[in-house]
Amino acid sequence: QSALTQPASVSGSRGQSITISCTGTSSDGGPYNYVSWYQQHPDKAPRLIIYDGNKRPSGFSDRFSGSKSGNTASLTISGLQAEDEADYYCSSYTSTSTWIFGGGTKVTVL
Amino acid sequence: QVQVVESGGDLVKPGGSLRLSCAASGFTFTDYYMSWIRQAPGKGLEWIAYISDSGGYTNYADSVKGRFGISRDNTKNSLFLQMNSLRVDDTALYFCARRAKYGYQFDSWGQGTLVTVSS
Repeated sequence: QSALTQPASVSGSRGQSITISCTGTSSDGGPYNYVSWYQQHPDKAPRLIIYDGNKRPSGFSDRFSGSKSGNTASLTISGLQAEDEADYYCSSYTSTSTWIFGGGTKVTVL
Repeated sequence: QVQVVESGGDLVKPGGSLRLSCAASGFTFTDYYMSWIRQAPGKGLEWIAYISDSGGYTNYADSVKGRFGISRDNTKNSLFLQMNSLRVDDTALYFCARRAKYGYQFDSWGQGTLVTVSS
């Protein structure tokens, strides 16, 4: 099973908005109705930030939002802050009862 | 609070075996499916196995199928990963993760345990 495709890096200035895409194909077990996003700071465990494409865990910042169109899911970070600098991974549950992850996107705050 | 703590990582030679453990606390372990997810040094996340709440159903990524076995002991709130025929490319940080009760996301992760396969 191939990984979902994410850009290797995205950057933005403080206060700006950025969007990270996550694209798969039907052969990867789409149509990706169960997309989640994870944030991982260096040497830390991943942390769930978006699930079911556009839902946030209780108490998590509303600066993070998710969307989906066809086989592409997106994560938008609004009002970029220094602490948002991290790696971000998308993931999807597949039709074969497995999960696949994207290759990860490194977000840099300029 | 919800906590999962992995242990058992070590340096092992190619072809060797290792058993990882994950101790869960702060939640009703028997209510949740659990997974192992790994991350090779400097690389991305790779899901490798999951087990149902009762332990009656398991599934594996193709990369580990036939070599790794996931199991759980619900009396001890523990999750395990038996790794056999280890290869150099199995070198990674192995995370224990809880799948949400409703949905397919992983809502709680441990800090990971490092497995190094090298001669």
